[in-house]
Amino acid sequence: QLQLQESGPGLVKPSETLSLICTVSGGSVSSNNYLWAWIRQPPGKGLEWIGSMSYSGSTYYYNPSLKSRVTISVDTSRDRFSLKVSSVTAEDTAVYYCARLVVTVSLSSYYFDYWGPGTLVTVSS
Amino acid sequence: DIQLTQSPSSLSASVGDRVTISCRASQSISSYLNWYQQKPGKAPKLLIYAAANLQSGVPSRFSGSGSGTDFTLTINSLQPEDFATYYCQQSDTSPLTFGQGTRLEIK
Repeated sequence: QLQLQESGPGLVKPSETLSLICTVSGGSVSSNNYLWAWIRQPPGKGLEWIGSMSYSGSTYYYNPSLKSRVTISVDTSRDRFSLKVSSVTAEDTAVYYCARLVVTVSLSSYYFDYWGPGTLVTVSS
Repeated sequence: DIQLTQSPSSLSASVGDRVTISCRASQSISSYLNWYQQKPGKAPKLLIYAAANLQSGVPSRFSGSGSGTDFTLTINSLQPEDFATYYCQQSDTSPLTFGQGTRLEIK
């Protein structure tokens, strides 16, 4: 059974960089059928997709609303992937989820089938 | 960006009821629509992918339908564990977007 687990600081100061890691167990990040994704959810609000990347780094998509501040990378040697969000403000306070994004050739569809439990990151001085 | 509008935003129902939740896209997204269930303090859980495909392990009382701009999630014979918030999500066009959610409460 695949499991994902987010880790990183729960408190980040304004203007600094938020850094999170998602560790994958029970499987490998090295597959052509999946992308590795980050999604966030501000307290009491809805879900916002941040971006996704393939294990090779050759395929990636970022949400334009965050693109200038976001970097996603994949470490195949450790079966983990990471998120960096620079110049954070209070609006970046959210629960951050990592997830696996399935790429189905037959249906030409993408969906998130496995999620980490989420980690709350608060931006405050 | 493609906007997804769910209706209703909240609803109350009883155990055993049949409920439907609607998701309308701002433009045609073919069948590239997924549904998730989220309980408080938990990550979302995939229920339906590509509009009508039941994810493995999800009870058959959940079903999805629709194409183009109008989609529906139906839950037959509500169970106590079904009271949660439901989100639709489109994968037709980047950026991937979610609906605002529908909160299903016990009447």
